[in-house]
Amino acid sequence: EAQVTQNPRYLITVTGKKLTVTCSQNMNHEYMSWYRQDPGLGLRQIYYSMNVEVTDKGDVPEGYKVSRKEKRNFPLILESPSPNQTSLYFCASSLIQGNTIYFGEGSWLTVV
Amino acid sequence: AQTVTQSQPEMSVQEAETVTLSCTYDTSESDYYLFWYKQPPSRQMILVIRQEAYKQQNATENRFSVNFQKAAKSFSLKISDSQLGDAAMYFCAYRSLSGGSNYKLTFGKGTLLTVNP
Repeated sequence: EAQVTQNPRYLITVTGKKLTVTCSQNMNHEYMSWYRQDPGLGLRQIYYSMNVEVTDKGDVPEGYKVSRKEKRNFPLILESPSPNQTSLYFCASSLIQGNTIYFGEGSWLTVV
Repeated sequence: AQTVTQSQPEMSVQEAETVTLSCTYDTSESDYYLFWYKQPPSRQMILVIRQEAYKQQNATENRFSVNFQKAAKSFSLKISDSQLGDAAMYFCAYRSLSGGSNYKLTFGKGTLLTVNP
């Protein structure tokens, strides 16, 4: 079954404690991206990757890092989380010009 | 950069009636995809319908159809025979097919649809 898997699904953490949200897809997609969803703002792109070792900033990259060492994995790293990073995060994957985008189930992150 | 605008933050409809959600977008590109996603309380992102810009025919999926006006850059979603399960947040999204735009997926801010019994 085609899927994008994110972990953890729910996390409460404290300011400054590094955390990683993992994302894995089983469809051999080149394109992967991270979005955050905030009330009234829709989904905004944080980072994207068009292939292994090819990553770039999206619209709201401040405070985040990513890596793409393997095609299937695209972790999102918050090195020093702050309360303004409390949000719902989605990982997505697709072919580069694909008309089908697969989303993970979302990760609720609360930073206190 | 592309922008997607959903001008209706909230809409309501009576069960079994028809409702139309609006979406406009701004782009200088000629080839792209447009999507409507449904997000129920579970927060899962569910694809409702998609439209390829090169296709003149409006996409239809059962009770869901779109009115795609390429020149006007408008992409509205019509839900016919509304059901209680249609209640959700709906997002309009645009996918660039240009490498210059990094094949980016851009979302509107969403329309919260309430279905009244």
